[in-house]
Amino acid sequence: DAKTTQPPSMDCAEGRAANLPCNHSTISGNEYVYWYRQIHSQGPQYIIHGLKNNETNEMASLIITEDRKSSTLILPHATLRDTAVYYCIASLDGSARQLTFGSGTQLTVLP
Amino acid sequence: EPEVTQTPSHQVTQMGQEVILRCVPISNHLYFYWYRQILGQKVEFLVSFYNNEISEKSEIFDDQFSVERPDGSNFTLKIRSTKLEDSAMYFCASSLLSGRFSSYEQYFGPGTRLTVT
Repeated sequence: DAKTTQPPSMDCAEGRAANLPCNHSTISGNEYVYWYRQIHSQGPQYIIHGLKNNETNEMASLIITEDRKSSTLILPHATLRDTAVYYCIASLDGSARQLTFGSGTQLTVLP
Repeated sequence: EPEVTQTPSHQVTQMGQEVILRCVPISNHLYFYWYRQILGQKVEFLVSFYNNEISEKSEIFDDQFSVERPDGSNFTLKIRSTKLEDSAMYFCASSLLSGRFSSYEQYFGPGTRLTVT
C-alpha cells in the first residue's frame, strides 16, 4: 500500500470548514483513499473513501486531485465533537485488506 | 444503527495467563479483523478472517494468538500466555463488500483495554 503523509496537527474554528490534506504521491491506479478518524482512544471510525472522483456523504467530502497524488478531506462545518486524529490510508481493493494506520493529523476544533 | 460490540471493556490479567477477547461484528458482515493500539502508539493490524479462516496476519500475530468464530455471531481473539507487552487496546472490526465499490470499509468496535500485570 502506498505511503501517505499528513501534517501532525491542525486547528480549526468551530463552525468553519476543516480541510485536512493528505499526500499519496506513490499511489497506484487501483488503490483507494480511505479516511478514518479516532476520537480519544475510541475505535477508529470510517468517514469516507474514493478512487478517482470526488465523494461526499453525510459526514464529509473527499477531494482527490486529478493525478491522484493528493487528497483533501473536508468537514464542512466543524464542531467540537470533530476533534480527533484523522487518518488518510491508501489501500488496494480486494478481500479483507488490512488497514495500515499512520500517525494521522490531530485536528483540534476550537470554540 | 448497527454497530460492532466488544466485551469486556477492560480486562486485567496476570502475565502468563490466557485471555479471550470477544467481539460481535455487524450481523451481515463477512470479514472480521483484530487490531491493537499500545498506549500512545499507532493502530496496528493483527489479523483478518473470512469464511472461517485467516486471510491475512501480521508479524505481531504469532503462535500465542488465535482467532475463532465459534458461532454465527461471535468473533474471538485468544492470547494463550500473556506478556507485559500485550497490554494495549484491542479493536475488533468488520466489513462487507460494498456494492458500489470493490472496497471494504471497516467498522470498528469500542475496544477492550487489556492490562497485563
